[in-house]
Amino acid sequence: EAQVTQNPRYLITVTGKKLTVTCSQNMNHEYMSWYRQDPGLGLRQIYYSMNVEVTDKGDVPEGYKVSRKEKRNFPLILESPSPNQTSLYFCASSRTSFYGLETQYFGPGTRLLVL
Amino acid sequence: KQEVTQIPAALSVPEGENLVLNCSFTDSAIYNLQWFRQDPGKGLTSLLLIQSSQREQTSGRLNASLDKSSGRSTLYIAASQPGDSATYLCAVSNQAGTALIFGKGTTLSVSS
Repeated sequence: EAQVTQNPRYLITVTGKKLTVTCSQNMNHEYMSWYRQDPGLGLRQIYYSMNVEVTDKGDVPEGYKVSRKEKRNFPLILESPSPNQTSLYFCASSRTSFYGLETQYFGPGTRLLVL
Repeated sequence: KQEVTQIPAALSVPEGENLVLNCSFTDSAIYNLQWFRQDPGKGLTSLLLIQSSQREQTSGRLNASLDKSSGRSTLYIAASQPGDSATYLCAVSNQAGTALIFGKGTTLSVSS
């Protein structure tokens, strides 16, 4: 089954304790991305990757890191989480084309609470 | 900067009704527009993708139209069912083709 998986699905942590949210896709997609969703603000892009070893900042990258060592995996790293990073996080993937992003496949989401 | 707006923010209808969800965007230079469905506690599911050169796309009871020149798209749901209750999001690709710009969504409730 074609899918994007994220782990963990729920996480409660404390300020400053490093954490990693994993994302994996089994569709051989070149493009992967992370979004956060907040009430009243909607979905905003954190980082994206057009292919292996190629990553770039989205609209809200502060406080986050990513890496793309393998095509299927795109982990999101919070080196020193703060309460303002409490949010619902989504990973997405797709093929790419000259005409922009193709149909996006989203993971189930990771709900993070930073105390 | 591209902005996407969805109206209404919430909608309640009885089962069987046909309904229209609206999406508008400020910059008509888009590659495509996508409609998603989001259920509570779950991720986003792609419903339809309309390329900028297309006028509409259909999937089952769903029909999405695109008027790029006026910056508008509509999602038409025929014969609504309680299972259609969810939040519907529209999104357009940014000019660089590296991100989706989302509207804040329309939360639909269909009562039986």
